[in-house]
Amino acid sequence: EPEVTQTPSHQVTQMGQEVILRCVPISNHLYFYWYRQILGQKVEFLVSFYNNEISEKSEIFDDQFSVERPDGSNFTLKIRSTKLEDSAMYFCASRRRTSGGSTDTQYFGPGTRLTVL
Amino acid sequence: DQQVKQNSPSLSVQEGRISILNCDYTNSMFDYFLWYKKYPAEGPTFLISISSIKDKNEDGRFTVFLNKSAKHLSLHIVPSQPGDSAVYFCAASPLNTGTASKLTFGTGTRLQVML
Repeated sequence: EPEVTQTPSHQVTQMGQEVILRCVPISNHLYFYWYRQILGQKVEFLVSFYNNEISEKSEIFDDQFSVERPDGSNFTLKIRSTKLEDSAMYFCASRRRTSGGSTDTQYFGPGTRLTVL
Repeated sequence: DQQVKQNSPSLSVQEGRISILNCDYTNSMFDYFLWYKKYPAEGPTFLISISSIKDKNEDGRFTVFLNKSAKHLSLHIVPSQPGDSAVYFCAASPLNTGTASKLTFGTGTRLQVML
């Protein structure tokens, strides 16, 4: 069964450093997402991406964040200058395109645990 | 901003009995609802969904009920099994209008199924 994969599983970085989190969405999916979950809190939406551009972003997704689909398979989240409060689990998700006004399911990857020291 | 609420942080159920997890929402634009199961250090795993045109959807041991007028949905698991022990998240999104339909999650309910 196809699944979303993410690398690395755990990333430790120093405050102020840049990190890139990588995701390989399910191959026939066209919508891509990043979410995060700070320890003990709920899963929060960061950004959605479709047709090589951002569809929607939350207020968390400020200028320090960027997303890219550098090739036909990878989807990346970059944090330019990490802060302590960026420590969280980051989840990538993907969804097929649907038509006729229906909504399809988002499938999540296993997550990357980002620890900022 | 608590557009999706799960008021019970935890629930304990005996093996073989029914587990009922509840979720309330406030945003009238939500038209599609999902339940995800999550184990520690793993991503959310999709369980079951329901669109607002239905009031019930069943898949094996899992049934989701939607009461749109009350803005309430529930997940029933019967019979409950020890492997069901996990955190369950309710999530909601607006009907796909051509946008990417972000999910808004509840805070989760930790289900423990006891032997």
